[in-house]
Amino acid sequence: DAGVTQSPTHLIKTRGQQVTLRCSPKSGHDTVSWYQQALGQGPQFIFQYYEEEERQRGNFPDRFSGHQFPNYSSELNVNALLLGDSALYLCASSSRLARSYEQYFGPGTRLTVT
Amino acid sequence: QKEVEQNSGPLSVPEGAIASLNCTYSDRVSQSFFWYRQYSGKSPELIMSIYSNGDKEDGRFTAQLNKASQYVSLLIRDSQPSDSATYLCAPLDNYGQNFVFGPGTRLSVLP
Repeated sequence: DAGVTQSPTHLIKTRGQQVTLRCSPKSGHDTVSWYQQALGQGPQFIFQYYEEEERQRGNFPDRFSGHQFPNYSSELNVNALLLGDSALYLCASSSRLARSYEQYFGPGTRLTVT
Repeated sequence: QKEVEQNSGPLSVPEGAIASLNCTYSDRVSQSFFWYRQYSGKSPELIMSIYSNGDKEDGRFTAQLNKASQYVSLLIRDSQPSDSATYLCAPLDNYGQNFVFGPGTRLSVLP
């Protein structure tokens, strides 16, 4: 049973560039949430996707956008990168259909903006 | 008051001792709680959840919830060096769908 997968593992970008991160949820899960974790801090909620729509959003600017595909996988896009966007980006999947609040995290993508 | 507060640590305990990790929360989060463990450089791993007042035990782990005091804790019995990690307190938000993570407490279990 495959867990949550994310790609790429690491990424280095320059200020002003755009980046796309990808996530495949755990088998049987239909909901994907994205979190940003800066060094030494707890993860911060970015947004959640269910049924291909953004259902809830945290306190992040519009430079952060996403998408969910029919196979439940998801992308996180960040435009006009800032140095402060350097962080570990975590994808978590859950099953809204099963009414389970438990979220399982992927290994994360480490983004460095120079 | 921040939504979720934890002592950042490090909390050091000797091997075999009980480690006690504490978390306080505000009214701006729900009262369903999850504890995650995060090893350095890795992603958070779900340990356990608690929804009702009182204690919930799972192996060496016991979660305790006191809604009146807005306090939740995690006890780790017979601590092992492999328990050395950051422990994240994560209540659900008021929509009941996503987590509001605390800053985490770094635990160090000394052999």
